[in-house]
Amino acid sequence: GAVVSQHPSRVICKSGTSVKIECRSLDFQATTMFWYRQFPKQSLMLMATSNEGSKATYEQGVEKDKFLINHASLTLSTLTVTSAHPEDSSFYICSASVANGQGANTGELFFGEGSRLTVL
Amino acid sequence: GDSVTQMEGPVTLSEEAFLTINCTYTATGYPSLFWYVQYPGEGLQLLLKATKADDKGSNKGFEATYRKETTSFHLEKGSVQVSDSAVYFCALRGGSSASKIIFGSGTRLSIRP
Repeated sequence: GAVVSQHPSRVICKSGTSVKIECRSLDFQATTMFWYRQFPKQSLMLMATSNEGSKATYEQGVEKDKFLINHASLTLSTLTVTSAHPEDSSFYICSASVANGQGANTGELFFGEGSRLTVL
Repeated sequence: GDSVTQMEGPVTLSEEAFLTINCTYTATGYPSLFWYVQYPGEGLQLLLKATKADDKGSNKGFEATYRKETTSFHLEKGSVQVSDSAVYFCALRGGSSASKIIFGSGTRLSIRP
């Protein structure tokens, strides 16, 4: 199946610094990628939809200036957590879609391994 | 808006027991339905899917049937193994949510040897 890779898998940073997380589709082109946040023992919360070559679409309640998303190419999307604070500590997961021939909205999503951010 | 409701966990079973994890959904149109599994320390993996009513998805001994009349997609396995211990997420895509995938809250499954 399609492979999505995230980097770094774990990052620890000091409060006030910025952290960039990369999401790459390794063997396919992804015009759309999704960024999720997962709190301990909870479900995934969609943060934003990342579209190649255009601005990301953020979900209600997600701060655009806090979580900067860039989708510069068909194989790379980045999430930058700016001026990170301890409450930003979480597990961030990206995913990308491969159309199954019936339209993109029925295709399965492939997920990256996730990136665990710890802000001290 | 679209939503997915699945049974709360944790669910603890003995090895070789029968498993059912309930999932119901609310959506307009004809969404695709998925079960994802998250093993400890790993990302999500697609377990199975169904794209239209009455479709049955199956993988690794797990099955789920897309029931439009009851808006359900219950996950079943006849004989669970210790290696099935994980968190299972029911999800939908399509409907009014377009390309977004909507997840249920997840059900943690623990299997005792």
